[in-house]
Amino acid sequence: KNEVEQSPQNLTAQEGEFITINCSYSVGISALHWLQQHPGGGIVSLFMLSSGKKKHGRLIATINIQEKHSSLHITASHPRDSAVYICAVAEGSSGDKLTFGTGTRLAVRP
Amino acid sequence: EPEVTQTPSHQVTQMGQEVILRCVPISNHLYFYWYRQILGQKVEFLVSFYNNEISEKSEIFDDQFSVERPDGSNFTLKIRSTKLEDSAMYFCASSGMRTFTEAFFGQGTRLTVV
Repeated sequence: KNEVEQSPQNLTAQEGEFITINCSYSVGISALHWLQQHPGGGIVSLFMLSSGKKKHGRLIATINIQEKHSSLHITASHPRDSAVYICAVAEGSSGDKLTFGTGTRLAVRP
Repeated sequence: EPEVTQTPSHQVTQMGQEVILRCVPISNHLYFYWYRQILGQKVEFLVSFYNNEISEKSEIFDDQFSVERPDGSNFTLKIRSTKLEDSAMYFCASSGMRTFTEAFFGQGTRLTVV
């Protein structure tokens, strides 16, 4: 069973700061996902990674398959980035079954 | 922007009753998923569904759970005899591709079993 750990669990930042959220997992995977959960509970898919790096706007996600580690970076953070960020890993050929981390609660202060 | 719609947003039911949670996935998507999140805990995978059959399910998805796509648009999760521990937020998601690349989640249904 894959153990997915995220750090930090809670993070408070000032607007404009560069933010890094980390995710590590214990067993080899076919893909890793970063998700954003808003205060109301809704979930948005941000990235799916199987190698390397992806960028979307102010968000950057990287993965190191050998080290079983991924990072989500937010540049020029904004209060609207406040949410819970969740890492989830997919195993097996189908990639359907995801194992989720506990999430990182981010609060960005104006 | 396309969206996944879940109804109801909140359901309260008595222990032992059957509940059906409904989801309308994005119209051209082919892969459908249910997840649950018990308050304060991690999101957990329940089941994936493709081509009118279950493609994967977790150990949580036991005989009390079932899914179906009754009319080609709705995707439902049925819990036959609810228990207190079924109280959770249930999320539906759909994807156009198998690798979950473009997955869209619904807003969730909060199920409270009393």
